[in-house]
Amino acid sequence: GDSVTQMEGPVTLSEEAFLTINCTYTATGYPSLFWYVQYPGEGLQLLLKATKADDKGSNKGFEATYRKETTSFHLEKGSVQVSDSAVYFCALYKAAGNKLTFGGGTRVLVKP
Amino acid sequence: EPEVTQTPSHQVTQMGQEVILRCVPISNHLYFYWYRQILGQKVEFLVSFYNNEISEKSEIFDDQFSVERPDGSNFTLKIRSTKLEDSAMYFCASSGGGLTEAFFGQGTRLTVV
Repeated sequence: GDSVTQMEGPVTLSEEAFLTINCTYTATGYPSLFWYVQYPGEGLQLLLKATKADDKGSNKGFEATYRKETTSFHLEKGSVQVSDSAVYFCALYKAAGNKLTFGGGTRVLVKP
Repeated sequence: EPEVTQTPSHQVTQMGQEVILRCVPISNHLYFYWYRQILGQKVEFLVSFYNNEISEKSEIFDDQFSVERPDGSNFTLKIRSTKLEDSAMYFCASSGGGLTEAFFGQGTRLTVV
C-alpha cells in the first residue's frame, strides 16, 4: 500500500539556521503531495502542496519540490524562526483512495 | 476564514462507555473525514464520507465506530464501548473536492480511563 517516510525528530536548530526535513513516499500512480504543520496545542494546517512532478509548493518561506524520480518531497526553509517550532507532517493523496496518508511527523524545535 | 469546528476539545470517558465526537465542517464542503493521532504517533486515517455514505474506511474503523451526518451541518463520530487504546486526538476534516484542499479541525482529545 501507499506509505510516507519522514526523518525522525526531534530536529533542534538555532534561529536563522537552514532547515531540511526529508520525506519520501511509496505509491502507485500520481499522488499529490502535501506538508502539514501542527503547532503546539493546535490542529493540522496545510503548509504547502504540489500536485504533479516537478511542481514546487511554497508558503511562509517554506518550499518543497515534487521529485518523481526520487519519490521525494523534502521540506526546506532558509532561515527558521522560533515560531516555526512545530511538528511537520508529509502526506500524500490519491483520488482513487480518497484519503491522505501521513508520515510519522518530524518535531522541529528552534531555539533563540 | 472558514474553519472546521470540533467539540468538545477534550473528553474524558470511562472504559466501556459510548462517546460522540462532533464536527461542523465548512459549509459548502462535500467530503468529510475522521483521522486520529495516538499520542506521539502518526496521524491515521479512519473514514471518509461523501453523499451521505462511507466512501472509504481503514482497518481501524471496525464495528465499534460509526459516522453520521444527522442534520446537514454536523458530522459525528460515535465510538461504542470505548477501550483504553481509543485514547487519542481525533481530527475531523472537510474538503470541497476530494482531499486536495482539506481543512482540519483543532481536534478532540479523547481520554479513556
